[in-house]
Amino acid sequence: QVQLQESGPGLVQPSETLSLTCTVSGGSIRSYFWNWIRQPAGRGLEWIGRIYLTGGKNYNPSLKSRVTMSLDTSKHQFSLNLSSVTAADTAVYYCARGMEDFDGDRWSNWFDPWGQGTLVTVSS
Amino acid sequence: DIQMTQSPSTLSASVGDRVTITCRASQSISSWLAWYQQKPGKAPKLLIYKASSLETGVPSRFSGSGSGTEFTLTISSLQPDDFATYYCQLYDTYSQGFTFGPGTKVDIK
Repeated sequence: QVQLQESGPGLVQPSETLSLTCTVSGGSIRSYFWNWIRQPAGRGLEWIGRIYLTGGKNYNPSLKSRVTMSLDTSKHQFSLNLSSVTAADTAVYYCARGMEDFDGDRWSNWFDPWGQGTLVTVSS
Repeated sequence: DIQMTQSPSTLSASVGDRVTITCRASQSISSWLAWYQQKPGKAPKLLIYKASSLETGVPSRFSGSGSGTEFTLTISSLQPDDFATYYCQLYDTYSQGFTFGPGTKVDIK
């Protein structure tokens, strides 16, 4: 059973770079898509971006200029860097495996499983 | 960008009620929706994928349907464990990006 676990600093200074790592256990990181999703307190979910083995990456256009993702298959980890953070980036950050299917007519993409989430606060 | 709305934003219901949550897209989407349940302090949990496929282990009282611009999540008989917030999620095949609906909170009447 695949499990994901986020790790990284819980407090980041404004204007600095937020760095998080997600460790994948119980399954291969060499398949699927690997995503970051965040949720500010009391608010909805926002997809940040995804990375996959071929090196392909897709980022949320609203964050694209500040986001970098990487994949380390030897460590079974993928990472998120978000630069020039402000208080608006304070949120619970989740990593999640992305699944994909094409039924001959339509694509489907969904997230399963998710990590437990890690709270990152941007404050001086 | 495709915008997603969910209705209602909050729903008060009783155990045993039939509950329907609707997710609407600002334009017809060419992919299938997913639905998640989230409880306070927990990560979202996948309920439905490909609009109507039930995730393994999810009770059969949950069902999904729809296509085009309107999708629904139905709970046939609400149980105490179902009080939570529900999110729809779409994949935009053109931009290769994802959007979540704003969520529907189901609470006790």
